[in-house]
Amino acid sequence: QSALTQPPSASGSPGQSVTISCTGTSSDVGNYDSVSWYRQLPGKAPKLMVYEVSERPSGVPDRFSGSQSGNTASLTVSGLQAEDEAAYYCSAYAGSNNWVFGGGTKLTVL
Amino acid sequence: QVQLVQSGAEVKKPGASVKVSCKASGYTFTGYFLHWVRQAPGQGLEWMGRINPDSGNTKYAQKFQGRVTMTRDTSINTAYMDLTRLTSDDTVIYYCAREKSGATYAFDIWGQGTMVTVSS
Repeated sequence: QSALTQPPSASGSPGQSVTISCTGTSSDVGNYDSVSWYRQLPGKAPKLMVYEVSERPSGVPDRFSGSQSGNTASLTVSGLQAEDEAAYYCSAYAGSNNWVFGGGTKLTVL
Repeated sequence: QVQLVQSGAEVKKPGASVKVSCKASGYTFTGYFLHWVRQAPGQGLEWMGRINPDSGNTKYAQKFQGRVTMTRDTSINTAYMDLTRLTSDDTVIYYCAREKSGATYAFDIWGQGTMVTVSS
C-alpha cells in the first residue's frame, strides 16, 4: 500500500480555522469509514484526535472535526490555538488487515 | 490508568536483530488488537503489523514479511516485536499502539516509543 497524501505544511493565525487534507484511493480512504487523525507533539507519541472519519474520542475539543468526500478526508481545526501547533497524521484501513498512514502535515500557528 | 510501556532504547549492529517489548496495564490485554508502528526521525508514521493478543494471530505489512515477528505473553500482558537483519534504514522509533474497540480501525493508546539505532 502507498502512503496517503497529505500537504507537508499548513498554517493559520490564532482564532482562524485550518483544514488538512488526506488523499488516498478507493481501496483505503474511499472504501471504509476508517480514517483517523493523530496529533504528534515533538518527541511525543501520537494522540488520537478523530476516528471513523468524524468521531471524537472523549476529551478531544469540538474544535477538531473530520469529514470525507470520496477518496479525500479532511481534518479541520477551528479557533486555532498555540497548543495546536504540531504534526498531524491521517490513517486509514486498507483492507485485508492492513493499515496505511499519511506522510504528515506540520501545522504552524502564526 | 490505561497505558502501554515499552522497553528502552537499543543500539544494534547491522545484520543483528532487535526485540522490543510493550507492556499493557489498566485494561484486558487479550481484549484488544495491538499494532506496531514505526517512525524515522523527522519522518512520517509507517504501519508494521498487528497481533491479536488473545489468539496470537498476526498480520504483517508486506514490506516487513519475513523479517518481523510479533508475539505476546499473556501471563505478563506483554507484546513483543522482533525485527531481524537490521540495516541503517531500521534506525527509527518503534511504537506499539492499541486498536480502539468496536472495529473503529483507530489507535487510541500508544506506547512512549522505543528508539532503535543501527550502527556499526
